[in-house]
Order: sequence, then structure tokens, then C-alpha cells
Amino acid sequence: AQTVTQSQPEMSVQEAETVTLSCTYDTSESNYYLFWYKQPPSRQMILVIRQEAYKQQNATENRFSVNFQKAAKSFSLKISDSQLGDTAMYFCAFMSPGGSNYKLTFGKGTLLTVNP
Amino acid sequence: DAGVIQSPRHEVTEMGQEVTLRCKPISGHNSLFWYRQTMMRGLELLIYFNNNVPIDDSGMPEDRFSAKMPNASFSTLKIQPSEPRDSAVYFCASSLRYQATQYFGPGTRLTVL
Repeated sequence: AQTVTQSQPEMSVQEAETVTLSCTYDTSESNYYLFWYKQPPSRQMILVIRQEAYKQQNATENRFSVNFQKAAKSFSLKISDSQLGDTAMYFCAFMSPGGSNYKLTFGKGTLLTVNP
Repeated sequence: DAGVIQSPRHEVTEMGQEVTLRCKPISGHNSLFWYRQTMMRGLELLIYFNNNVPIDDSGMPEDRFSAKMPNASFSTLKIQPSEPRDSAVYFCASSLRYQATQYFGPGTRLTVL
């Protein structure tokens, strides 16, 4: 079974600074996807970024980028120029589309607070 | 485009009552997922459908839970009878079949007294 570990329950950062959230996962699969979802106080689950395991290039979406280290099974999220609206719970998630199984396995989350 | 729609947004009920949660996936999506979020267990998959057919219901906690998808634009998750330990946020998500990205609805916060 796949597992996803987020070792930082809480983090804080000053507005306009950069912060990195950590995620590691365990799998024996070779084909899989990794995601970061954001859950603000409104509790909506919002997709931040996704990475295909077969791609060597790290995914980027505006101020959000990932550091994907396949051999180390590490998938960290970097947020540049942090904004107050980035305050949220961030979940790392894994999916391996083997067979008919498309379920997301989530980490426990990291609560990020951006301070003014 | 409308995202995933869930209703109700909040539900408060008493133990023993039947609860029905509703979901309308994004138009054109043919995979639908029900997740539950609790402080103790985090986010966990309950069941998912492809083309209205249940594919994996191994996450459904017990027989009190049932889910249906009578057509491509509607799904229900029913709990009967409800218990206080069912209190949680229930999310519905949808995706295009064989596409990895799932899009979530706003969730239903269920409180069973």
C-alpha cells in the first residue's frame, strides 16, 4: 500500500518570503502522479500543482513549484513571494493508476500561516 | 464552468436518522469519488464510480453507508442509521476517466448529535 508522509504539521512564513513544504511517499509503482492540494478555511480542496512521475522536469504554476526527487521519493512544494491568501492547510497526495485504481492517498497535511 | 456541486453544505441530524448527501460532478466527467475527512483519519476514499458503475467501495466503513450514481450527473451517499462517529466533512470529486486530476466539491459538513 502506498503511504504519504508530511513531517511538518505546522509552518509559518512572513509575507513575500519563500517557504518549502516537505512530502515523502512510499510506493513500488513506477507510473504515478503526485499532487499538492490547498485547503483554506473555507474547506474547499483546491488543486495547486501536479507532477507526473515519468517527467524529469519539475512542475511549476506561477509562484508554486515542486522539487521532485524520484529516487528519494520526495516531493516538496515551494511557495515564492508568499501572500496572505496562501494561508491554508496543504495536502500532498499520491495516485497510481494501475489497474482500475485511481484513488488519491493523502498525507496528514501541513498548516501554513502567512504572517503580515 | 460550474465545478462540482454538493448539497447540503451543512447537515445537522440526530443519531439514528437517515442522511443523504448529494453530488453533481463536472459536466463531461465520468469518474466520481466520495471522500471523508476527519481529524483522526484525515482524507480517505469511501467509494468511486466509473461511468456510473461502482468500481471500488472498499473504503465504505460499514453497511450503514451506501452510494448510488443513477446517471452521469448525479450521485448520492446515504447513511442509515447515522451515528455520532459519522460526523465529518464529506467531499465529492470528479475527473475524466483515466485522467489523474480530481476536482473537489465544497464538501458537506455533517454533524450527528
